Amino acid sequence: EDQVTQSPEALRLQEGESSSLNCSYTVSGLRGLFWYRQDPGKGPEFLFTLYSAGEEKEKERLKATLTKKESFLHITAPKPEDSATYLCAVQAKSNYQLIWGAGTKLIIKP
Amino acid sequence: EPEVTQTPSHQVTQMGQEVILRCVPISNHLYFYWYRQILGQKVEFLVSFYNNEISEKSEIFDDQFSVERPDGSNFTLKIRSTKLEDSAMYFCASSETWTGSETQYFGPGTRLLVL
Repeated sequence: EDQVTQSPEALRLQEGESSSLNCSYTVSGLRGLFWYRQDPGKGPEFLFTLYSAGEEKEKERLKATLTKKESFLHITAPKPEDSATYLCAVQAKSNYQLIWGAGTKLIIKP
Repeated sequence: EPEVTQTPSHQVTQMGQEVILRCVPISNHLYFYWYRQILGQKVEFLVSFYNNEISEKSEIFDDQFSVERPDGSNFTLKIRSTKLEDSAMYFCASSETWTGSETQYFGPGTRLLVL
């Protein structure tokens, strides 16, 4: 069964304190792995798509990496506005639906 | 920047009533989706739609649910007889191509509360 597990469930950091969020997945043939940001009461906002192991993508303070079993979202010198829930989702080659993790709630304290 | 829009933002209904949730996908996108997120739970796939027909649907998407593209811009989700457990945020998404590997862009959601 295709599955996505994110850790930790919640992460509190001081402003400027770098860290990483983990997304472990099992899928029968990966078509793509997606990272989204979700603010309370809002829809998921697209951040990155990764397609193959070894791939890396960066956007401002965020960097996403992918291996055959997991993905990391690295956040460097975060600011309070980076506070949100970060969602990971995978898409299997057999279909087009996204299978989601439960998310990591990130809180950045000034 | 093009975006997916959804109406209404909030909907309160009585159990057993029909509701229609509306979405306007990004204009040049061809693949459309509905997801839902029950409060405090994971986002769940409901259905995908391409070329005026359902491409995939989950076990959640039973006979009480239907989707339609009534014109060139709107995409709707109908729940025929709502149940208490249908209370959730419903998100519409669209992607550019039919290959399915393109990024799905999400709307702001409709919060449905069934009383």
